[in-house]
Amino acid sequence: GAVVSQHPSWVICKSGTSVKIECRSLDFQATTMFWYRQFPKQSLMLMATSNEGSKATYEQGVEKDKFLINHASLTLSTLTVTSAHPEDSSFYICSARGNWASSYEQYFGPGTRLTVT
Amino acid sequence: GQNIDQPTEMTATEGAIVQINCTYQTSGFNGLFWYQQHAGEAPTFLSYNVLDGLEEKGRFSSFLSRSKGYSYLLLKELQMKDSASYLCAVSTTGQAGTALIFGKGTTLSVSS
Repeated sequence: GAVVSQHPSWVICKSGTSVKIECRSLDFQATTMFWYRQFPKQSLMLMATSNEGSKATYEQGVEKDKFLINHASLTLSTLTVTSAHPEDSSFYICSARGNWASSYEQYFGPGTRLTVT
Repeated sequence: GQNIDQPTEMTATEGAIVQINCTYQTSGFNGLFWYQQHAGEAPTFLSYNVLDGLEEKGRFSSFLSRSKGYSYLLLKELQMKDSASYLCAVSTTGQAGTALIFGKGTTLSVSS
């Protein structure tokens, strides 16, 4: 159990376009989802925390108008990279935390590799 | 501020034992996680410590000392497939609730 999927697994887009990445918890309800970005040979950097039905909380230095996060249901969160630029090319990973009382672990999706040309 | 330190790289041979250390200074502490990440893949959960002491799970063990802000991951009977990046992450409570802060990761290379 506790499976998280991401779609697409990889995407190439042109500079200036927008890209939407979906994160789904397949077999559990996730009250909280997290979005991370990872550059080559770097660790995961938390971008934002998303609670279902409320606005996402962004980490310092992350532009909320550029990285739009929507968490409309307990099983789906989306990250839209608007007006993408080559420097946005990265590995984007989501994770989800379950809504059961003892939940402390985050379950990670397989990641989405974004390349902006 | 938040700071998590772990060595950048380590090497070891098959069958050996390796210990990966992690020190942390964070505002708030709800537990410490260790994750394994192979290149191009998402992290997979290895262990979770919230109380001081050693947690053993098969070939992997994790230790925590909250007073020292210190943890280690111990890998025994190393196999080639253990070559990966090992991430230390601290669970803290921020303005958005509980979140994980990751260290930069330790790349472990296991050779035959």
